[in-house]
Amino acid sequence: GDSVTQTEGQVALSEEDFLTIHCNYSASGYPTLFWYVQYPGEGPQLLFRASRDKEKGSSRGFEATYDKGTTSFHLRKASVQESDSAVYYCALSRPTGGNNKLTFGQGTVLSVIP
Amino acid sequence: GALVYQYPRRTICKSGTSMRMECQAVGFQATSVAWYRQSPQKTFELIALSTVNSAIKYEQNFTQEKFPISHPNLSFSSMTVLNAYLEDRGLYLCGARGGANSDYTFGSGTRLLVI
Repeated sequence: GDSVTQTEGQVALSEEDFLTIHCNYSASGYPTLFWYVQYPGEGPQLLFRASRDKEKGSSRGFEATYDKGTTSFHLRKASVQESDSAVYYCALSRPTGGNNKLTFGQGTVLSVIP
Repeated sequence: GALVYQYPRRTICKSGTSMRMECQAVGFQATSVAWYRQSPQKTFELIALSTVNSAIKYEQNFTQEKFPISHPNLSFSSMTVLNAYLEDRGLYLCGARGGANSDYTFGSGTRLLVI
């Protein structure tokens, strides 16, 4: 079945550090890839998505590029802020039987120290 | 904008009893509703996907007998956890979307504690 793997379970950075969270997926065809962010006490919010090879998604300074060759969609941000502290989830969606089911990775807890 | 409300936010039930949670879509028509569970130390597991005018599709390890879902109209869905035990504790999330080309909007979840 479809799966999403995030390498880092936890990431601790200082403000203005560069962020990379690795995401690799396994799915046939061309799934749509997503990054979600979840703040304490809230549900996951969509950051952005990408649907085609080499397409770049971006929002709020975060970005990721769809790479079908390496089946990856790594999240990056050039300079993190304390307010970026949250849990980040990579996800994919692939139409199955007329429905689009979202499959999430394990999540990465980002802590940014001021 | 599109919003999804879930209630209650938190609930405690005794082992062996049942608990119903609700999901309300505001600002859009929820043609599809997905119910997820986030257990401690785990990611989101899809319980079932409900699409208007289609049968509710349950994922492996989840059954209608344990997690009956109702999706009676385009703004509301509910799910009951029947005969809850410790392994059912977690955050239950409802995600809704307006059509095949739109994204899911998630509620803040219902946190279930079982004692």
